[in-house]
This record gives sequence, structure tokens and C-alpha cells, in this order.
Amino acid sequence: GQNIDQPTEMTATEGAIVQINCTYQTSGFNGLFWYQQHAGEAPTFLSYNVLDGLEEKGRFSSFLSRSKGYSYLLLKELQMKDSASYLCAVTDSNYQLIWGAGTKLIIKP
Amino acid sequence: SQTIHQWPATLVQPVGSPLSLECTVEGTSNPNLYWYRQAAGRGLQLLFYSVGIGQISSEVPQNLSASRPQDRQFILSSKKLLLSDSGFYLCAWSVEFSEVREQYFGPGTRLTVT
Repeated sequence: GQNIDQPTEMTATEGAIVQINCTYQTSGFNGLFWYQQHAGEAPTFLSYNVLDGLEEKGRFSSFLSRSKGYSYLLLKELQMKDSASYLCAVTDSNYQLIWGAGTKLIIKP
Repeated sequence: SQTIHQWPATLVQPVGSPLSLECTVEGTSNPNLYWYRQAAGRGLQLLFYSVGIGQISSEVPQNLSASRPQDRQFILSSKKLLLSDSGFYLCAWSVEFSEVREQYFGPGTRLTVT
């Protein structure tokens, strides 16, 4: 079967760094996405990885290891507005997106 | 630029009543279209996707149906709602024949079945 695992909830302090992990087992792999979803809103695209390594985009970075079926999203200099759910999704061999349940990130002052 | 619209934004319906949610995309042609449902505090569940007019694939057997009468219009329907149909319904689109297949989401419809 296809499976994506993420922690359910994480807590971090404003100004700190947090790493949200995602592990996946899918039938094929054609890329991994991270989305941000604020409560009551639609998900918005954060990052895309298809090759191994780190992709940096401002305060957010995403890492992929295809051999380990593993990715993480790194958020630096946390701000209160970063409180949201972070969804990991993998594109399988049929180019369908398989979604994780999301990690709720709580930022404390 | 591309935009995606969904309506209504919120909806409260009694059990057994019909449902029709509409989604339209502007600024792109022949998009792939998707309907998702998200229960409170849960991940996204893919309900239907479409690669063209009249072409619908169902991911989860249930009392919902979808139709694509026009290239950029996607409709989610039900003849009789169940309590378990409550949730946040999201429409999304992606570019046809794109290897990345990033999906762009509409604002969503929050449905409460009472």
C-alpha cells in the first residue's frame, strides 16, 4: 500500500528553528511537495523536491533522500504566522498525489 | 494568471438533501481537476479527478458524484447527503502534461450536514 507518515503535532518557539519530517512508501516516485495550510484555509504550495538534496527558499528549506524515502521541511526564524499545518505529498508512478495527514505546528512566543 | 473559484464558501444542509458544489478555473486550458474532502483535523482525501471533459475517475466509493460539463468547470454532487459528508471540500487544478503536477487549490467549501 501507499503510506506517508508525519508527526501529528509539533510545538516550537518564536525565533527558533523547527524540522518537520516526512517518510513515505509509494508505488513509484515522481516528486515530493510540501504545502502550508492555515486553519480554515486552502493549502498553499511551499516547495517541490524531485532530486536528492536541499532546496532553500528564504526561511524555508526542504530536503529529500529518495533512497531512504525521507524528506524534511526546515523552518528558520519562526514567526507567529508560521502556525499552521504542513502537508507532505508524494507524486506516485501515475502522477497522482498521495497526501500525508499533515503536521500541526504551534508557535509559542 | 490562473485563478480558481469555488462556491458557496459555507453550506449547512440537512441529512437527505441534495448537494451541488461548483468549481471553475480561469486562465488555463484543459487542466486536470480534482475534488478533495478534508475532515476536521485530518489530511486530504481525494474524491474525484478529471483529465478532460466527461472524464471522471472516482477514488472512493460513496454517495457523491462528479461531473465535468465544460473544460474548466467541475461539479460535485450528491442526491442524498449523509452526516458523514460534513467536511471541507477543496477543488484543485494542475497543468496537463506537466511532470511537476503541482496542484493549486480553490478557497474551499465548508459543508455541515445536520
